[in-house]
Amino acid sequence: EAGVAQSPRYKIIEKRQSVAFWCNPISGHATLYWYQQILGQGPKLLIQFQNNGVVDDSQLPKDRFSAERLKGVDSTLKIQPAKLEDSAVYLCASSLGEKLFFGSGTQLSVL
Amino acid sequence: AQSVTQLGSHVSVSEGALVLLRCNYSSSVPPYLFWYVQYPNQGLQLLLKYTTGATLVKGINGFEAEFKKSETSFHLTKPSAHMSDAAEYFCAVSVVSNTDKLIFGTGTRLQVFP
Repeated sequence: EAGVAQSPRYKIIEKRQSVAFWCNPISGHATLYWYQQILGQGPKLLIQFQNNGVVDDSQLPKDRFSAERLKGVDSTLKIQPAKLEDSAVYLCASSLGEKLFFGSGTQLSVL
Repeated sequence: AQSVTQLGSHVSVSEGALVLLRCNYSSSVPPYLFWYVQYPNQGLQLLLKYTTGATLVKGINGFEAEFKKSETSFHLTKPSAHMSDAAEYFCAVSVVSNTDKLIFGTGTRLQVFP
């Protein structure tokens, strides 16, 4: 079974630039999550989709972060403009039923 | 609001020694509790979970954890460490389900020495 795919693996940008991350969940998984993992901290949920609808985006900084899940499959997370404190690993996860599957993440460095 | 505290950001053990990683939680309602493991350059993987029922939970790779409501703890143990256990371990809590609104601790990095 293929896992959750994320790209790019690494991204380095300067502050105030824009960046986008892509996630392809496991086939058939209706629920998709984006987490932010800052160095030294545990993952923090940014947004949760059920199919192509947003279930929870209470912790998403909406002034600079946006996410979409077209056709209920792939998802993109965008940051515009980036700040230094956005440096983190961005994890995508998907679930079907009782188990959560994580991708290996995109490591973002904002200089 | 619920929260998780992991005591000790780094734990070092010798191969064959007991592994004990500590987790305390705070929740006003019965929680779902989890331990996840993260190997370098890989995603988080579920080790074990507690939902209801038996308080001693067995997981993959010989790990187990015990839910102690009176101590609000969910410590992770393994009788004999293996070099391959070296990784970062995260405790997490949810009051919703096995997959939604997980709140993670800050993690404990386990080193295993030969």
